[in-house]
Amino acid sequence: QKEVEQNSGPLSVPEGAIASLNCTYSDRGSQSFFWYRQYSGKSPELIMSIYSNGDKEDGRFTAQLNKASQYVSLLIRDSQPSDSATYLCAVSQGLTGGGNKLTFGTGTQLKVEL
Amino acid sequence: DTEVTQTPKHLVMGMTNKKSLKCEQHMGHRAMYWYKQKAKKPPELMFVYSYEKLSINESVPSRFSPECPNSSLLNLHLHALQPEDSALYLCASSPGTGRTEAFFGQGTRLTVV
Repeated sequence: QKEVEQNSGPLSVPEGAIASLNCTYSDRGSQSFFWYRQYSGKSPELIMSIYSNGDKEDGRFTAQLNKASQYVSLLIRDSQPSDSATYLCAVSQGLTGGGNKLTFGTGTQLKVEL
Repeated sequence: DTEVTQTPKHLVMGMTNKKSLKCEQHMGHRAMYWYKQKAKKPPELMFVYSYEKLSINESVPSRFSPECPNSSLLNLHLHALQPEDSALYLCASSPGTGRTEAFFGQGTRLTVV
């Protein structure tokens, strides 16, 4: 079983619609969850972090976390063509020696169509 | 300011060459990371430095040698690489305590010929 799972897509949505991206994880003790956006050929960009159950909103983005179901989601409202990218779900594990290890899902490719 | 700077942006090297990748952050972060990303795959952790000490080596071959000269700098020394080592090499940093968000540099696109 993969530690972090995402549908690879592509997920196609029309401009102005809501895009819904989903992620499940296997380590029930995980505490920190992140969404990164990665444009083709570029590096991952952190867009949302969430640590507790419920919703967290930042502009057009809403992250949702349900630790009981081991489920994280990202909603993008009023999707724009510039949102077309691969979205990586990441789960953080604290390390005994310090720092954190991010385990990524395989990413969901989002295409926002005009 | 959430900037992590990596140099060079692109690197082509032969299998007998020695080269170094450099990474710098001025956010006061105490943890720094090297990740490797192959095409259409997620980033994979290679090394973690915490407070300038090597915390994790994810069984990376010895032809990759990390170095953390101070809390702002992280290097990756490359020697005798193979063509399959061609990838995007990403440096990241995080506060190290409390908040755990990691911020990535723009990466170095490495091609081994």
